[in-house]
Amino acid sequence: GIQVEQSPPDLILQEGANSTLRCNFSDSVNNLQWFHQNPWGQLINLFYIPSGTKQNGRLSATTVATERYSLLYISSSQTTDSGVYFCAVVIYNTDKLIFGTGTRLQVFP
Amino acid sequence: DAGVTQSPTHLIKTRGQQVTLRCSPKSGHDTVSWYQQALGQGPQFIFQYYEEEERQRGNFPDRFSGHQFPNYSSELNVNALLLGDSALYLCASSAWGHPRNTEAFFGQGTRLTVV
Repeated sequence: GIQVEQSPPDLILQEGANSTLRCNFSDSVNNLQWFHQNPWGQLINLFYIPSGTKQNGRLSATTVATERYSLLYISSSQTTDSGVYFCAVVIYNTDKLIFGTGTRLQVFP
Repeated sequence: DAGVTQSPTHLIKTRGQQVTLRCSPKSGHDTVSWYQQALGQGPQFIFQYYEEEERQRGNFPDRFSGHQFPNYSSELNVNALLLGDSALYLCASSAWGHPRNTEAFFGQGTRLTVV
């Protein structure tokens, strides 16, 4: 089956720093989403981005479907950005999300 | 606009018991999927319901079953609970689109502990 790998697995930043999270997938996908899971377990939608580039405030994402990767950029990080970031993909002819391995981000003041 | 709502938020059950978890999808959505997230791992797909039928299923035993009601809400039932069923159970809703390029939204989850 498809493999979805995220890097780095852990990231520790000081408030105000920038970071790039990467998601590699081993097969063609129909959809790709980025989520932030807060300490209470809630999965918060960040981007729905099967291809191209999107921006939302301090966050932006780029998916290059032909090269099977997606990047999530976080600028001027804040302590509230802490948590686990997941990418999740949907392969053709299915509707199930296949989650990546996750990146655990800790932002310190 | 209410998002995806799940109940209860926390639950403690004894091995061998049965449990029912509930989910109401986001307004305008007709498809509900259930995921299990063990501690320290990513969510794993259990199954998906559309038009009151199970459309897809992941690698979970028959002890896991579900139902979708005419108002699109859904239940997840787990029989003969095992300690290993302890996890965060997440419900996702989406619209059954053509093509299937639809964004999924998640509820806050039900944290199940089996003792």
